[in-house]
Amino acid sequence: GENVEQHPSTLSVQEGDSAVIKCTYSDSASNYFPWYKQELGKGPQLIIDIRSNVGEKKDQRIAVTLNKTAKHFSLHITETQPEDSAVYFCAAIHRTALIFGKGTTLSVSS
Amino acid sequence: DTEVTQTPKHLVMGMTNKKSLKCEQHMGHRAMYWYKQKAKKPPELMFVYSYEKLSINESVPSRFSPECPNSSLLNLHLHALQPEDSALYLCASSQAIGGLADSYEQYFGPGTRLTVT
Repeated sequence: GENVEQHPSTLSVQEGDSAVIKCTYSDSASNYFPWYKQELGKGPQLIIDIRSNVGEKKDQRIAVTLNKTAKHFSLHITETQPEDSAVYFCAAIHRTALIFGKGTTLSVSS
Repeated sequence: DTEVTQTPKHLVMGMTNKKSLKCEQHMGHRAMYWYKQKAKKPPELMFVYSYEKLSINESVPSRFSPECPNSSLLNLHLHALQPEDSALYLCASSQAIGGLADSYEQYFGPGTRLTVT
């Protein structure tokens, strides 16, 4: 089955810095890779996703890159703000279900 | 609108109680999901419904019983739970299971925080 590894588990940055979270997956058949942001006491919120026929996708301060050959994908957040502080999960689709990484706790200090 | 609603927000129940969690979406999605999330862990899939039929059961104990009365509603019936079942229960929906370009996008509700005493 699919296995998704996510690093780092915690990430602390200063406001205005960039943050990068990396994930690897094991099943070469996976073709959809979403990123979720989960704030304390809330459900995961889909913030960006990428499909296997695309190498990069950007939405304002957030971008995701995908390297299918190496089976890894990354989330890039630029100009971080305190409200970006949350737990971020990467995921890969497997048999119609999402398999999540273990999460990264991002802390942005002002 | 990408809203999935869940009730109740919090639930405390004893091990002999019977309770139900409810989930609703009005996005016209035909796939609905139940996930379980323990503290500081990622969501884990429990059940998938596609066009109101159970499609995936991830070997969940029978004390959890899902039900999909119609395309907008999803219930999770709880009976004789154990303290280790205490968790955040998340509902999600997507247009469909696989296939079309947008069908993979899953939208989550806020969850029900369940405590079993």
